[in-house]
Amino acid sequence: KAGVTQTPRYLIKTRGQQVTLSCSPISGHRSVSWYQQTPGQGLQFLFEYFSETQRNKGNFPGRFSGRQFSNSRSEMNVSTLELGDSALYLCASSLDGTSGSYDYEQFFGPGTRLTVL
Amino acid sequence: DAKTTQPPSMDCAEGRAANLPCNHSTISGNEYVYWYRQIHSQGPQYIIHGLKNNETNEMASLIITEDRKSSTLILPHATLRDTAVYYCIVRVYTNAGKSTFGDGTTLTVKP
Repeated sequence: KAGVTQTPRYLIKTRGQQVTLSCSPISGHRSVSWYQQTPGQGLQFLFEYFSETQRNKGNFPGRFSGRQFSNSRSEMNVSTLELGDSALYLCASSLDGTSGSYDYEQFFGPGTRLTVL
Repeated sequence: DAKTTQPPSMDCAEGRAANLPCNHSTISGNEYVYWYRQIHSQGPQYIIHGLKNNETNEMASLIITEDRKSSTLILPHATLRDTAVYYCIVRVYTNAGKSTFGDGTTLTVKP
């Protein structure tokens, strides 16, 4: 079974631009979460989508948004990029089934490395 | 999610067991202990999780104390490829989608 894939893997943007990152979860997984990782703040939760609805949201400004499609693929968008948005953006998927804790293991993709100049 | 405390760094000799501790004194009865690791610049990788019984899989063993206030991840025969940041997370399993990662423990396996 293919793992979580993220595109693009690397991205360079300039301040003020916007960016869209894509995540394809493991087949059959219904939950997709996004995280931002920076050297200073570590791994921080952005938001989680389940069945095309945002289920949880972290403490990030409204410039960060996301969505999930009917096939569970997800995108996140960052508008009006700032230098501080330079980070590794990670996507994770989980099955969210009904068989207990093992259905909620999170599987992470390789990440998209965003550099804002 | 309960807060966890891990040592910032540890060293281990190749071939020896690596024992990584985690304190979670405020854990609730329905919260599980999860371990992930992150090899440099890659996405975190799930290792193991448990509620109160000790667990073992092909990667590691998880020992949870009887009062559940601390746990230890054991890598039985560490290799250089086990060098990574190891994160201990405590959460209700249905909250998997919004995990809170701390600073973790940087494990360095030395030849």
